[in-house]
Amino acid sequence: ETGVTQTPRHLVMGMTNKKSLKCEQHLGHNAMYWYKQSAKKPLELMFVYNFKEQTENNSVPSRFSPECPNSSHLFLHLHTLQPEDSALYLCASSPLNNSPLHFGNGTRLTVT
Amino acid sequence: GESVGLHLPTLSVQEGDNSIINCAYSNSASDYFIWYKQESGKGPQFIIDIRSNMDKRQGQRVTVLLNKTVKHLSLQIAATQPGDSAVYFCAVMNSGYSTLTFGKGTMLLVSP
Repeated sequence: ETGVTQTPRHLVMGMTNKKSLKCEQHLGHNAMYWYKQSAKKPLELMFVYNFKEQTENNSVPSRFSPECPNSSHLFLHLHTLQPEDSALYLCASSPLNNSPLHFGNGTRLTVT
Repeated sequence: GESVGLHLPTLSVQEGDNSIINCAYSNSASDYFIWYKQESGKGPQFIIDIRSNMDKRQGQRVTVLLNKTVKHLSLQIAATQPGDSAVYFCAVMNSGYSTLTFGKGTMLLVSP
């Protein structure tokens, strides 16, 4: 148990589908993050939320839409994705900005 | 900006050997450094961190060394075990920007 739970673990979707990824943290942290992990590339930061407010959007295409209803939950809404969006999507949380991130086990997304 | 590189994509060692994984960063203003371990099918797991006011920090079987002069970071694993087989990432932060930049990772393979 990592303290950060992501669902689903695997997702296959067509380019016209709409789906959502869910993340829940049980650590009492104030910051939550979405990262994209592609093969042979460093982790790419997508979005940051501090106290439910989005503080960073790292030039992510609008087909990815985050939502943070409270400091324990984070969603990533997906629509009209492209095959190159296939990757492992990782959620993380931290108590403060300058402290280690705690990651979930990710959602393996395949876009067909 | 910051760029983070690792010298070796793969490191193969024998069980019981000591392992050294290296990381280089570009921004001399970076002041917080973290090592993560990622096993297959899991998210990155925090191993150890170090701040720029230190040059060495030890954990259980792991040591992180920081050389700010040449902007180099290393992770040493003593008496490497098969369970240490994973991908290891370094992550670097400039506290003024509060976001981590990750390296690509080194895959550590431990053979019995």
